[in-house]
Amino acid sequence: EDQVTQSPEALRLQEGESSSLNCSYTVSGLRGLFWYRQDPGKGPEFLFTLYSAGEEKEKERLKATLTKKESFLHITAPKPEDSATYLCAVGTDSWGKLQFGAGTQVVVTP
Amino acid sequence: DTAVSQTPKYLVTQMGNDKSIKCEQNLGHDTMYWYKQDSKKFLKIMFSYNNKELIINETVPNRFSPKSPDKAHLNLHINSLELGDSAVYFCASSQSRDTYSNQPQHFGDGTRLSIL
Repeated sequence: EDQVTQSPEALRLQEGESSSLNCSYTVSGLRGLFWYRQDPGKGPEFLFTLYSAGEEKEKERLKATLTKKESFLHITAPKPEDSATYLCAVGTDSWGKLQFGAGTQVVVTP
Repeated sequence: DTAVSQTPKYLVTQMGNDKSIKCEQNLGHDTMYWYKQDSKKFLKIMFSYNNKELIINETVPNRFSPKSPDKAHLNLHINSLELGDSAVYFCASSQSRDTYSNQPQHFGDGTRLSIL
């Protein structure tokens, strides 16, 4: 059975303190791994898509990487505005069905 | 200029009532989805339509019926609402179904449904 597990569940960082979030997956055939950011009361906001092992994507202070078993979202020198829940999702069929992890809630304090 | 918009944002109603949630996307996407996010924050797919054709229908009670009048709109009608239906319902859209790789999905801000 396909599984997506995110860790840690919650992360509290000081402003400027870099860290990484983990998304490990067990799926039969990966067609895409997606990272989203969700703010309270809002819908998930698309950040990155990774399609194959070794791929990396960057956007401002965020960098996503992918191996055959897991993906990391690195947050470099975070700011308070990076506080959010970060969701990882995998696509495994041609119908576009995504399976989401439970998310990592990140709080960045000044 | 909202890309994926849902109405209403909040819906408070009595058990046993019938209600509808509407979704519209102006991204020109072919595929639309309904997700349910429960109190534990897990997002789970419910339905998907591609060019008005139902392509994903997860194990969802028959009381939930999606309708897509055109590829820019996907509505969700719920009959005989139950306490367990309380959740946030998200609509999403993506460009197309690619046979090899999945396209990213873009989400609305959700409809918060509370059953009294």
